[in-house]
This record gives sequence, C-alpha cells and structure tokens, in this order.
Amino acid sequence: KQEVTQIPAALSVPEGENLVLNCSFTDSAIYNLQWFRQDPGKGLTSLLLIQSSQREQTSGRLNASLDKSSGRSTLYIAASQPGDSATYLCAVISGGGADGLTFGKGTHLIIQP
Amino acid sequence: SAVISQKPSRDICQRGTSLTIQCQVDSQVTMMFWYRQQPGQSLTLIATANQGSEATYESGFVIDKFPISRPNLTFSTLTVSNMSPEDSSIYLCSVRGHLNTGELFFGEGSRLTVL
Repeated sequence: KQEVTQIPAALSVPEGENLVLNCSFTDSAIYNLQWFRQDPGKGLTSLLLIQSSQREQTSGRLNASLDKSSGRSTLYIAASQPGDSATYLCAVISGGGADGLTFGKGTHLIIQP
Repeated sequence: SAVISQKPSRDICQRGTSLTIQCQVDSQVTMMFWYRQQPGQSLTLIATANQGSEATYESGFVIDKFPISRPNLTFSTLTVSNMSPEDSSIYLCSVRGHLNTGELFFGEGSRLTVL
C-alpha cells in the first residue's frame, strides 16, 4: 500500500526566504505526483503536476522536482510571501492512473511578514 | 482545469440525521471522487463514482453509511447517513481534469459539524 510522508509538518519562515518542502512515497511505481495548496477550511488548489516520466515542473515562483527511484519529491518556493501561508499537500497516483490519490498529511507553512 | 461547485459549503447537523452533499462540474467527466478530511488530518478517499454504475468504496467505507448517486456526467451526490460527531469533517468532491495526465481538481469542500 502506498504511503506518503511530508516533512516538515510545520514551517514558519520570514518573508522573502526561499524554502523547500519535502515529500516521500514508499512505492516508486507511480503514475504522477501532484502538489496542492489548501487554505484553512477550504478545498484544494492544484499547484503542480509531475508525470512519472518528468523530473520537474515550474510555475512562477514554484518548482517541483521528482525522483522516482528514491521515492522523493520537493516543492521549492522562491521569495516567499505572506500570501503563501497555507497547508501544502503532496499526493501520488499509483499504478495505471485509474485510482484516486494517496495524500500526505501536509506541511503547514506560515510566512511571517 | 475543471470548475467544481459543492453545496452546502458548510452545515451544522444533529446526531442521527442525514445530509446530502451535491457536486456539480462544468464539464462532462467519467470519474468523480469523494474524499473526507477529518480535523487536522489529510484526505482519505471514500469512493469513486462512475456514471452508469455503482460507486466503488474504499476499505472502511460502506454504501449504507455513504450512499452516492451519479445520475449524469456532470453531477454527483454523497449522503452522510445517521451522522455522529465522528462524521464531522470536510467532504470534498474531485474530478480528473485531463485523462492523459491524471491531474485532479477539487471543489471548495463541504464542512460538516455534527452535534
């Protein structure tokens, strides 16, 4: 059974810093990996999708990498802003992509003004 | 991307009652997924709803407790039956936006509090 772990569970940094969120998964036979953002009490916003054949994806100040062989992904946030404060969730689809996602527990990020 | 609307956005319910959550998508989709997010926890898949067939439930979830309807390719409902305080959660509807990539999109969620 696929298990997804995110480290750290919580992170607080001053505005302007670059930071890295980590995600690891136990079964490297994944279809894709997706990073989400969740604001308190809200739904999930898709940030980046990395397919199994890709090594990284970029969107604005966000860069996500994928190393299938080691079962790891990182989300890099450049020049952090208070508006980046949220919970960041990593999720993987295993197998042939017909199933739902397996989620990590998330990293609760606070950017201090 | 897909635009997903959920109703209600939140509700406070009494123990023993049932509540139906609606999920509307702005495009036709084959599969719709229902997730539960208990307080302080990550998301857990409840079931996958395909149009024209019965929903497929994950381990620990049963149809009697979480009946699902999927009358067409843009709509689904999830009912939380005979609620107890342990059912207090955010319930989220999700669809696959692009079949070839598997990217998932989520609604805003329905926050249920059971007293």
